[in-house]
Amino acid sequence: DIVMTQTPLSSPVTLGQPASISCRSSQSLVHRDGNTYLSWLHQRPGQPPRLLIYKISNRFSGVPDRISGSGAGTDFTLRISRVEAEDVGVYYCMQATQFPRTFGQGTKVEIK
Amino acid sequence: EAQLVASGGGLVQPGGSLRLSCAASGFSFSTSWMNWVRQAPGRGLEWISCITNSGSTIYYADSVKGRFTISRDNAKNSLYLQMNSLRAEDTAVYYCVRDWYWSFDLWGRGTRVTVSS
Repeated sequence: DIVMTQTPLSSPVTLGQPASISCRSSQSLVHRDGNTYLSWLHQRPGQPPRLLIYKISNRFSGVPDRISGSGAGTDFTLRISRVEAEDVGVYYCMQATQFPRTFGQGTKVEIK
Repeated sequence: EAQLVASGGGLVQPGGSLRLSCAASGFSFSTSWMNWVRQAPGRGLEWISCITNSGSTIYYADSVKGRFTISRDNAKNSLYLQMNSLRAEDTAVYYCVRDWYWSFDLWGRGTRVTVSS
């Protein structure tokens, strides 16, 4: 199974400041079709997760452009250019290149 | 509006069974791969099963293989999860999730399963 490791696990941030989360996979996420199926999800307390980013860097519908994804191979990053109050919650990376699909442990973002 | 509504959760004794359902609406269910993902209390997300649009191919996590069975009825726009031989570690909120280009774009609100005596 592909192990997804996120760092940090907790990130206190100041409103208006940037934040970034790293996600590393135990093996390359490049699929035989050439795509890399790494996505990012955000979960607010008491709510189901919602998709933010798919295939490393593609913003899902309605996701603001201050949220971005980057990376390749085994190393990926989610960046928030200016943190807003609505960004609090837990962020997960997820790989769908191979079954079983696996998630990172989650990174909790909270306001300082 | 696309929507997934999971139901069927509840309290069950260890070794018991439960069948979860997920009603889909507002999108083409019959052309969508579907998944079940669970989240234990205070824990992260765990993918447990996927079924292709026709139901011809199914995948399971090792943690549930042989105990859980995913199925679908495209005529009823419904997804199911039959859970047998339940254990305390199966206690979680179970989410029905749409697969979209190998990402999870649509999540239901989840149904809570508690396995306890």
